[in-house]
Amino acid sequence: SQQGEEDPQALSIQEGENATMNCSYKTSINNLQWYRQNSGRGLVHLILIRSNEREKHSGRLRVTLDTSKKSSSLLITASRAADTASYFCATDDGGLTGGGNKLTFGTGTQLKVEL
Amino acid sequence: DTGVSQDPRHKITKRGQNVTFRCDPISEHNRLYWYRQTLGQGPEFLTYFQNEAQLEKSRLLSDRFSAERPKGSFSTLEIQRTEQGDSAMYLCASGLDRSSGNTIYFGEGSWLTVV
Repeated sequence: SQQGEEDPQALSIQEGENATMNCSYKTSINNLQWYRQNSGRGLVHLILIRSNEREKHSGRLRVTLDTSKKSSSLLITASRAADTASYFCATDDGGLTGGGNKLTFGTGTQLKVEL
Repeated sequence: DTGVSQDPRHKITKRGQNVTFRCDPISEHNRLYWYRQTLGQGPEFLTYFQNEAQLEKSRLLSDRFSAERPKGSFSTLEIQRTEQGDSAMYLCASGLDRSSGNTIYFGEGSWLTVV
C-alpha cells in the first residue's frame, strides 16, 4: 500500500520557473525522503529530512517537513528541461508503527519542464 | 563502486512460465530490498534482507514469489507460474546500516511483460 500521496499528480512549467510538489502521509515517521525517476529508469535519491528537522536545502532543492500536518514539500528552483521526471516522496517510520525497515513510497508527481 | 545492477533489464515471458531476476547490490551494503512498480504508481515494497536473512515480506509477495540472498551478497527474485498481473518493473535497492538514515540506492529495474 502507498503511504504518501503527492500533489499535484502532474505539473507542467516553463524552464526557469520554480516547481513545488507536496506529499502527505499517514503515520508517524523517522524521516522522509524524496526520489527522482526518469522515465523507465530506477529511482535516484535526492534528499532526506529527519522528523526533527523543518527545512533542508541541497543545491536547487528545498524540502520542508511539517510533522503536525503530516506533510512535506519539495521545491525545485530555476527549473531546467533536465529536471523533467517523476518525483516520489518516501517515508521511513523507523519501525515505530510496525513498518519495519522499508521505505514506503507515494504515488508520485510527474514534472515536465518545457523550453 | 558500480552501483546496484539488475539482470535482465527486460524479460518477456508466456503466462505460466517461471522467471528469475538477479540483483547485485553495492558491495558494502548489507541491506537489500525488492520493490515492484506498475505504470503511474510508486514502488511497492515486496521484501527486505539484512545480510542473508529475509526479515520482512509484503502480503503482495504471494506464494508464487520467492526471494533469496544466499551469501548476503547478490539476490534473486523468482516468480513461478507467471500471470499477466505480474507484468511490472521489479526494482532492487540496497543500503547501509540504518544509522546512515535508511537511504537506499536503486538499480535500473527489470521489466517483466507476461503475455
